[in-house]
Amino acid sequence: QKEVEQNSGPLSVPEGAIASLNCTYSDRGSQSFFWYRQYSGKSPELIMSIYSNGDKEDGRFTAQLNKASQYVSLLIRDSQPSDSATYLCAVNEWSGGSNYKLTFGKGTLLTVNP
Amino acid sequence: EAGVVQSPRYKIIEKKQPVAFWCNPISGHNTLYWYLQNLGQGPELLIRYENEEAVDDSQLPKDRFSAERLKGVDSTLKIQPAELGDSAVYLCASSTRQGGGEQFFGPGTRLTVL
Repeated sequence: QKEVEQNSGPLSVPEGAIASLNCTYSDRGSQSFFWYRQYSGKSPELIMSIYSNGDKEDGRFTAQLNKASQYVSLLIRDSQPSDSATYLCAVNEWSGGSNYKLTFGKGTLLTVNP
Repeated sequence: EAGVVQSPRYKIIEKKQPVAFWCNPISGHNTLYWYLQNLGQGPELLIRYENEEAVDDSQLPKDRFSAERLKGVDSTLKIQPAELGDSAVYLCASSTRQGGGEQFFGPGTRLTVL
């Protein structure tokens, strides 16, 4: 069973701080990695995608990927109360042709306190 | 650009009744996915379509669930008969290409089976 594990929450940070969300995955064949934000009662919203080792920055968000360690993380700088949500890590395992599957972690609930 | 459209948004039925969900993907997205999300869990894939072909339905409980995408655009997911354990959020997503590109979710249908 291929797994995607996220650090257990909830995670609480003060406004303006850096929030760090972590995710590990079990399948070394994984090709692409995504972070989704899900507000309570809403559907997942794609906020970051990363495909190669290293960092990818988009505004206040930075995704980090280390395929050797099978680890992907999301940093949120200058956290705002509006960032309070559940963050889902998703890993795409591709075994060639049309054989791929996006596996989600259970999510980490982030609360940013004013 | 319009996002993924789903209807209805909410559905309450009694057990053993049938229910159907409808999804219209983002224009030009050939790949369509149906997911199920239980509270506190990440989405789990039920079925994936490439155009009108169901290329991965391994997680679809075929004794009671069925799906179709006859013209390769919109899709319907049906449950007949519904059971208490089917209460969940049913999410539809779409993407532009095979091989695991970015997936974009619709608002979901929250099903309650009494």
